Amino acid sequence: DADVTQTPRNRITKTGKRIMLECSQTKGHDRMYWYRQDPGLGLRLIYYSFDVKDINKGEISDGYSVSRQAQAKFSLSLESAIPNQTALYFCATGGQGLTDTQYFGPGTRLTVL
Amino acid sequence: EDQVTQSPEALRLQEGESSSLNCSYTVSGLRGLFWYRQDPGKGPEFLFTLYSAGEEKEKERLKATLTKKESFLHITAPKPEDSATYLCAVPIGSNDYKLSFGAGTTVTVRA
Repeated sequence: DADVTQTPRNRITKTGKRIMLECSQTKGHDRMYWYRQDPGLGLRLIYYSFDVKDINKGEISDGYSVSRQAQAKFSLSLESAIPNQTALYFCATGGQGLTDTQYFGPGTRLTVL
Repeated sequence: EDQVTQSPEALRLQEGESSSLNCSYTVSGLRGLFWYRQDPGKGPEFLFTLYSAGEEKEKERLKATLTKKESFLHITAPKPEDSATYLCAVPIGSNDYKLSFGAGTTVTVRA
């Protein structure tokens, strides 16, 4: 089984709808991240969490919110989806070391019409 | 401003034709540099971490090297299965746990 799972894998929605993307991990990591990926722009950090009580904004948090329900679960919400939020969304977890690498889920392809 | 730049954006190689990808960074006080491989429609997969100038790491046909200003990913005698997008990333800011990613180099290896 995969260490980091994301649901759904694909989602098509309409402008103005509320969408939740979910992430679960079995790596036992405290740190979890949400990124979006757009062609030519690379991965950009939306939100990150170092534990259940610690949530931080990344570089592009406007229009998004998150919830850390447990050590293993981190959800990303789009309260009112807009077309320019169409992108690939990745969840990642990070280890305990100062420069530990991050491990990524398989991604969610979100299309907002 | 911390910045990570990868070049070229795309690289088309013939099977067996060795080449190198570049990742340059302007982060002060580098605390590590990561290389990832990403296949279409999938999440990035970790390849290497380099911590200090002069360090090298190898995995099959890939070798990553690090200087004070840039890192290279050398692909020796590539095969079609090496086709992917290669991403580099560095920790940024005062918090070691955030990464800044380059836009990636898409490598296509033709048989």
